[in-house]
Amino acid sequence: GNSVTQMEGPVTLSEEAFLTINCTYTATGYPSLFWYVQYPGEGLQLLLKATKADDKGSNKGFEATYRKETTSFHLEKGSVQVSDSAVYFCALSDTTRNYQLIWGAGTKLIIKP
Amino acid sequence: DGGITQSPKYLFRKEGQNVTLSCEQNLNHDAMYWYRQDPGQGLRLIYYSQIVNDFQKGDIAEGYSVSREKKESFPLTVTSAQKNPTAFYLCASSVGQGLNSPLHFGNGTRLTVT
Repeated sequence: GNSVTQMEGPVTLSEEAFLTINCTYTATGYPSLFWYVQYPGEGLQLLLKATKADDKGSNKGFEATYRKETTSFHLEKGSVQVSDSAVYFCALSDTTRNYQLIWGAGTKLIIKP
Repeated sequence: DGGITQSPKYLFRKEGQNVTLSCEQNLNHDAMYWYRQDPGQGLRLIYYSQIVNDFQKGDIAEGYSVSREKKESFPLTVTSAQKNPTAFYLCASSVGQGLNSPLHFGNGTRLTVT
């Protein structure tokens, strides 16, 4: 079945460091891919998405490219801030189940000043 | 401001009691969802509803029940049959289902059953 695997956290970085959070997937068909972010004490928010191979989603300085050849959708940011501390979830739309989302386990990001 | 309201933020119950979690949205969204979030796991779908008076089981529906009598409201009841009910519960909505319908989430209800 379809699945999403994220790197385990927590990931701890200093402010202004480069960020990569790895996400790989297994899927049939042509799913869309998403990154959601959950700030402390809140629900999740859509951060960015990509709907087809080679698409790049971007928002708030974050980017992720839909790589079909490596089945990956890694999240990157060039210079992180303390305010980026949150839990990041990778997800894919399950084309076999009416586009329900399949979620990764989440990666907690801690940015130190 | 449009959004999703979940209440209460924290809920405590004794084992053996049913408890209902509230979810209200004023986004005029057709689809609504309930997810369960446990530490170190991704979100797991409990129930979803695409239209009023209709809902479908998700991956972990056992021990839960829902209703969708109004477009704006999708309450979740955690019954005494749910073997491990302590968790963080998230309600979400979307305009429809499919590739271009991002989920909008409430801020969650943390349920503790002792």
